[in-house]
Amino acid sequence: AQSVTQLDSHVSVSEGTPVLLRCNYSSSYSPSLFWYVQHPNKGLQLLLKYTSAATLVKGINGFEAEFKKSETSFHLTKPSAHMSDAAEYFCVVSNDNTDKLIFGTGTRLQVFP
Amino acid sequence: KAGVTQTPRYLIKTRGQQVTLSCSPISGHRSVSWYQQTPGQGLQFLFEYFSETQRNKGNFPGRFSGRQFSNSRSEMNVSTLELGDSALYLCASRTDPNTEAFFGQGTRLTVV
Repeated sequence: AQSVTQLDSHVSVSEGTPVLLRCNYSSSYSPSLFWYVQHPNKGLQLLLKYTSAATLVKGINGFEAEFKKSETSFHLTKPSAHMSDAAEYFCVVSNDNTDKLIFGTGTRLQVFP
Repeated sequence: KAGVTQTPRYLIKTRGQQVTLSCSPISGHRSVSWYQQTPGQGLQFLFEYFSETQRNKGNFPGRFSGRQFSNSRSEMNVSTLELGDSALYLCASRTDPNTEAFFGQGTRLTVV
C-alpha cells in the first residue's frame, strides 16, 4: 500500500536562506507525487507534481522537487525563503489502484525575518 | 477559469442536527473528492465521485454521505452531528481520477 512520510513536522528558516522539506514515499509502482501548500484558513494549492517524466520538477513560487527512486524520496526545496512561504506543506502520493490521494502529515514552515 | 467553489464557507450547527455542504468543481472536471481536516487527524479522505458514481470511499461512518449531480456538482451530507465532526471540509476536483487535484477554500463546520 502506498504511503508518504514527512520527516519533519516543523521547519524554521530565516528569510533568504534555503528551504528543504523532506518526504519519503512507499509505492509498489511508479508513483504520481505532489506537493501542496496550505496557508492559514485556506484550501490547498498545488505547488508541483511528478508523473514519471523529468525527475527534477519545477513548481510555482520558485519551489522544486527531485524524485529519487533509489532513496524513495521526493524532497521539496527552494533556494531562498520568503516571508510569504510560511505555511503548511503536504507531500501527497496517488494510490496506484484507486487513484486516491494519500496525504502526509504535513510540515509547518516558519520563516523568520 | 473559475476555481473550485465550496459553500457555505462557515457553518455552526448543534449536535444531532444534519448539514449539507456543496462543491462546484472546475468546469470540465468530472471527479470530485471530499476530505476532512482536523488538527488531530490531519487530512482524511471521505469519498470520491466520478461521473455521478462513488468511486472510492474512506473509513467514515454511514452518517457521512455524498452524491454528485449530472453537472458534476457534489454535495456532502452529515447526519446526527457530533462534536467531533467539527472540522474543515475540503473539496477537490480533477479532470480524471489520475490527474492532479484542485482544492476549494473549504467549509469550516463547527458543531456545538
